[in-house]
Amino acid sequence: NAGVMQNPRHLVRRRGQEARLRCSPMKGHSHVYWYRQLPEEGLKFMVYLQKENIIDESGMPKERFSAEFPKEGPSILRIQQVVRGDSAAYFCASSPELYNSPLHFGNGTRLTVT
Amino acid sequence: ILNVEQSPQSLHVQEGDSTNFTCSFPSSNFYALHWYRWETAKSPEALFVMTLNGDEKKKGRISATLNTKEGYSYLYIKGSQPEDSATYLCAFSNQAGTALIFGKGTTLSVSS
Repeated sequence: NAGVMQNPRHLVRRRGQEARLRCSPMKGHSHVYWYRQLPEEGLKFMVYLQKENIIDESGMPKERFSAEFPKEGPSILRIQQVVRGDSAAYFCASSPELYNSPLHFGNGTRLTVT
Repeated sequence: ILNVEQSPQSLHVQEGDSTNFTCSFPSSNFYALHWYRWETAKSPEALFVMTLNGDEKKKGRISATLNTKEGYSYLYIKGSQPEDSATYLCAFSNQAGTALIFGKGTTLSVSS
């Protein structure tokens, strides 16, 4: 049973470009979470999605960031017009149901903005 | 804004020592408390999920307790081994339907 798959593992973008990060949850999991880890910081919650719905996006920056989890295919975290401050490790996690289920994490995507 | 605090930030022990860390969270509107272990170059891995005041969970040499009334959880490691070296994260949610909020973690280093 494959775990949570994130790609790419490393992504380099120039300032102003777009970054697309993909996350395929574990089989049977319908809940997806995105977290960001900035240098010297812990995991910061960004957004929580179920299939085709955004449940909680209270951690998402108001501009340039968006997320989706379509009926078919992986969840996508999209960052438009990247800036140097967006450089971080972005982790995706999934769970089969909300209540009392542990999260299963992917290996993360490390975004570097030059 | 929910705040989850972990202490100490880092810890260095000798092989065979027992140790414990603290996770503090808001005591009002508790829903669940999770512990995760995060080894370097890997992804966080779930250790425990606790929901009831007084919960105690154990997995091998690692155990955890929960006090929801005062808002803290302890993680204990008995007889630390070098392979226990990792960052231990706790995460809290205050109601169903919301995401987990993580602390910054306690980084444990065990030397042989």
